[in-house]
Amino acid sequence: EPEVTQTPSHQVTQMGQEVILRCVPISNHLYFYWYRQILGQKVEFLVSFYNNEISEKSEIFDDQFSVERPDGSNFTLKIRSTKLEDSAMYFCASSEYSGGSRETQYFGPGTRLLVL
Amino acid sequence: AQSVTQLGSHVSVSEGALVLLRCNYSSSVPPYLFWYVQYPNQGLQLLLKYTTGATLVKGINGFEAEFKKSETSFHLTKPSAHMSDAAEYFCAVSDRNTDKLIFGTGTRLQVFP
Repeated sequence: EPEVTQTPSHQVTQMGQEVILRCVPISNHLYFYWYRQILGQKVEFLVSFYNNEISEKSEIFDDQFSVERPDGSNFTLKIRSTKLEDSAMYFCASSEYSGGSRETQYFGPGTRLLVL
Repeated sequence: AQSVTQLGSHVSVSEGALVLLRCNYSSSVPPYLFWYVQYPNQGLQLLLKYTTGATLVKGINGFEAEFKKSETSFHLTKPSAHMSDAAEYFCAVSDRNTDKLIFGTGTRLQVFP
């Protein structure tokens, strides 16, 4: 069964460093998402992406964050200058259609980011 | 603004007992409702969803949920728990105008033999 994959599974970085989290969505999917979960808190929406553009973003997704689909398979989240509060589990998801979000979003296993 | 409340961060049941995980939502318009499950070291997997139509929704692994508009609830049930059901369960809501899912804080289900 097709699945969303994410690399790395764990990343430790120093405050102020740039990190890139990578995702490979399901191959025929057109919509891509990033969510994050700070330890002990809710899973929070960060951004959605379609047709090489951000379609929606949350207030969390400030100028330190960017997303890109550099080729036909990868979808990346870049944090330009990490802060301690960026430590979280980051989930990538993809869906086949938007359909007003009625289409299922398929999630990857997550990347646990720790900022020291 | 939409929000989701999951009552009980931890629920423990015996194998074979009824599983009931509670979810209440607030939304100004009829929402779409989802339950996701997360097994250790894995991603979020969709259990079931309600968009329109029949309010009792059946999902994978014997789970079902009922959309009750009058109670703004979407509780998840399973008649008989299995050891393999031990996981974290997330309720989520969205509406027709957005793609984003709004999640509850999750409920960790433990199943004892």
